[in-house]
Amino acid sequence: DGGITQSPKYLFRKEGQNVTLSCEQNLNHDAMYWYRQDPGQGLRLIYYSQIVNDFQKGDIAEGYSVSREKKESFPLTVTSAQKNPTAFYLCASSIRPGGVYNEQFFGPGTRLTVL
Amino acid sequence: AQSVTQPDIHITVSEGASLELRCNYSYGATPYLFWYVQSPGQGLQLLLKYFSGDTLVQGIKGFEAEFKRSQSSFNLRKPSVHWSDAAEYFCAVKGGSQGNLIFGKGTKLSVKP
Repeated sequence: DGGITQSPKYLFRKEGQNVTLSCEQNLNHDAMYWYRQDPGQGLRLIYYSQIVNDFQKGDIAEGYSVSREKKESFPLTVTSAQKNPTAFYLCASSIRPGGVYNEQFFGPGTRLTVL
Repeated sequence: AQSVTQPDIHITVSEGASLELRCNYSYGATPYLFWYVQSPGQGLQLLLKYFSGDTLVQGIKGFEAEFKRSQSSFNLRKPSVHWSDAAEYFCAVKGGSQGNLIFGKGTKLSVKP
């Protein structure tokens, strides 16, 4: 059963801690994305990756880092430099970037709360 | 720069009534347009998409959308709303050569019994 999995579903972080959110896909998609969602703000792009070992900053990359060592995995680390990390984080993938193939498929999300 | 506007933050309709959710986009060339739905605490599910051709697009769950270039709009419609349609709806447009999607801020739909 193909799809995107995100873990954990809920994550709590203390001030000053780094945390890593997992995103795995078995759709054989080239491109993967991380979004942040806040109430009334829609989705804002944090980072995206078009191919293994390559990624680019999105609109709100400050305080976040990513890696893309494997095609199926795109973990997001929320660092202590992110001053307001409490949000809902969504991972997505598409067959390849650009053209008619940028329909994005979404994971179920991770809700991060800073204590 | 490309952008998407969803003018209505929150809409309430009665079950069985018709629905139209508005979406306006700003894009220089022929846009690739999408509508997604999100249930509370869940990811987004694609309802329908427009790339080219017929301007009336059919999607899942009985939804349809019409692309109107002259109005820069891509409104979502459903003839008869069911209580299970209560959710948040997002319009998106492909933004630039990198294939990224630009999302509107969403419209929350509530359904009255």
